[in-house]
Amino acid sequence: DAGVTQSPTHLIKTRGQHVTLRCSPISGHKSVSWYQQVLGQGPQFIFQYYEKEERGRGNFPDRFSARQFPNYSSELNVNALLLGDSALYLCASSYLATHEQYFGPGTRLTVT
Amino acid sequence: LAKTTQPISMDSYEGQEVNITCSHNNIATNDYITWYQQFPSQGPRFIIQGYKTKVTNEVASLFIPADRKSSTLSLPRVSLSDTAVYYCLVGDKGNTPLVFGKGTRLSVIA
Repeated sequence: DAGVTQSPTHLIKTRGQHVTLRCSPISGHKSVSWYQQVLGQGPQFIFQYYEKEERGRGNFPDRFSARQFPNYSSELNVNALLLGDSALYLCASSYLATHEQYFGPGTRLTVT
Repeated sequence: LAKTTQPISMDSYEGQEVNITCSHNNIATNDYITWYQQFPSQGPRFIIQGYKTKVTNEVASLFIPADRKSSTLSLPRVSLSDTAVYYCLVGDKGNTPLVFGKGTRLSVIA
């Protein structure tokens, strides 16, 4: 079975631009979570969706938004990019909204 | 959310057993303890989860004392490929997001 997939793998954007990151969960998983990981730190929680509804939101500005589609895939949108948004963005899926989550390989975003 | 404290780094030789201890003094009654492993440029990988006493799977064992204020991840006979960052997380698994700290960087030496 395919694991969690994310696209694109790498992305370079300029300050002020907008970016959309995509995630496909493991088949059958209904929950998707997004995390931001900067170098040397652990992943930081951004959003969790379960059955297409937002279940939780981390301490991130309103420039960050997300949604989950009927097929349980998800998008993370970031507006007005800042240099500090440069990070590895991780998506994780789980059957329920639990702590046993399965992470994708991440999208490396570089903002110049 | 209960805060966790774990060593920043550990070194071990191949073939040895490695024990990584995590302190979580403020753990709540509904909280579970979960450990993740992360290799460079990859997403974290779920290793093991427990509530009390001992849990064992094909990868590791998790020891949790009766007071649940700490837990120990035990990796038997480590190899070079076990070099990674290991995260200890505590939370009510159905109702709280995963909260990662800085983890423990394990280096396995030949």
